[in-house]
Amino acid sequence: NFMLIQPHSVSESPGKTVTISCTRYSGNIASNPVQWFQQRPGSGPITVIYEGIQRPSGVPDRFSGSIDVSSSSASLTISGLKTEDAADYYCHSYDRNNYWVFGGGTRLTVL
Amino acid sequence: EVQLVESGGGLVKPGGSLRLSCAASGFTFSAYTMAWVRQAPGKGLEWVSSISSSSNYIYYADSLKGRFTISRDNAENSLYLQLNSLRADDTAVYYCARVNSGYNLDWGQGTLVTVSS
Repeated sequence: NFMLIQPHSVSESPGKTVTISCTRYSGNIASNPVQWFQQRPGSGPITVIYEGIQRPSGVPDRFSGSIDVSSSSASLTISGLKTEDAADYYCHSYDRNNYWVFGGGTRLTVL
Repeated sequence: EVQLVESGGGLVKPGGSLRLSCAASGFTFSAYTMAWVRQAPGKGLEWVSSISSSSNYIYYADSLKGRFTISRDNAENSLYLQLNSLRADDTAVYYCARVNSGYNLDWGQGTLVTVSS
């Protein structure tokens, strides 16, 4: 199987732009799409990006996803940061056997 | 509106069993793959199991080693997870999720399972 590695934490100021990376170890990042989930303290997760770049309805266009095949990584970029964006963010993908893999999560602090 | 409401969590002794339920509403339950994901206190998300719409395809995380069983009742719009031989490291919030196209997941709010003597 493969692993998805994320930074433990990132921080940025309101109004700025932050990018969270998710690096795949073993296999091609483009083999299966990457999803991103946001989890605020005390709440269940919600999907903010699926299929690498798609936004579910209701998710602001400040959230965007991208893939870099050369570094085998996916990224979640949040622009115009708001204090409400402070949360844990998890990347996710799956393998050819339909086994799911989550990254370890990144805590975003907006201060 | 899609609603997923988990129940059945609680305190159980090591070696015990528990059955979790997820009541689905607001969509045609029988058309969707469903899944369970858990989160230990202060830890990240961990996939537990997935089941296809007609229960034809079922997958489990290797780490569970046959202790957990996923099932569904499409007539009752319900998803289940039977947890057996529970251990302290099974302590977690268990989330039910609807798997939409492209793995755009809809999540429930979770139910807490605590394994302790």
